Amino acid sequence: AQSVAQPEDQVNVAEGNPLTVKCTYSVSGNPYLFWYVQYPNRGLQFLLKYITGDNLVKGSYGFEAEFNKSQTSFHLKKPSALVSDSALYFCAVRRYNYGQNFVFGPGTRLSVLP
Amino acid sequence: DVKVTQSSRYLVKRTGEKVFLECVQDMDHENMFWYRQDPGLGLRLIYFSYDVKMKEKGDIPEGYSVSREKKERFSLILESASTNQTSMYLCASSLRGVYTEAFFGQGTRLTVV
Repeated sequence: AQSVAQPEDQVNVAEGNPLTVKCTYSVSGNPYLFWYVQYPNRGLQFLLKYITGDNLVKGSYGFEAEFNKSQTSFHLKKPSALVSDSALYFCAVRRYNYGQNFVFGPGTRLSVLP
Repeated sequence: DVKVTQSSRYLVKRTGEKVFLECVQDMDHENMFWYRQDPGLGLRLIYFSYDVKMKEKGDIPEGYSVSREKKERFSLILESASTNQTSMYLCASSLRGVYTEAFFGQGTRLTVV
């Protein structure tokens, strides 16, 4: 069964510093991994995905993620955090079934302090 | 611009009422999903549909049903609302295939009193 863990409920970082939001996964077969962001009282917005190929994936708003198969991790990163990056971040893996639905982690709240 | 639209942003309903949450997508996506979001639990799948009139139970289907009569529309029905169904409900859609991302609506915050 597929599952996703986000070990940190909350991450605090100063503006201008690099940020990392952690994600580990458990899947049978090839992992198809996604990151989403949610701003207050809004739906989720897609940031980036890993399907195959290069382990470093670049996405929207300057975010990138590093896929590590041996550590079963897919950490989200950004070289220089902005206050506007403060939001709730979800890691997800896609299931192999008729609808290929998504399994989400519990979310990590990122606070970027000015 | 792609769009998933949920009929209401906020709803307040009474215990025992039948509640309909509507979702429409304009991207001709085959797959549609209803998730429930609660603090600390992330998103949990209630039902999904991979084609018109086709539906599959997700992880927490109890107390819910769904309807998909047209490709663009996916409705979530709470047969008899209860206070433990107070939550944020998110609809999403995607193309068929594990490579594609989902697009989400803005969410419906339902309060059952």
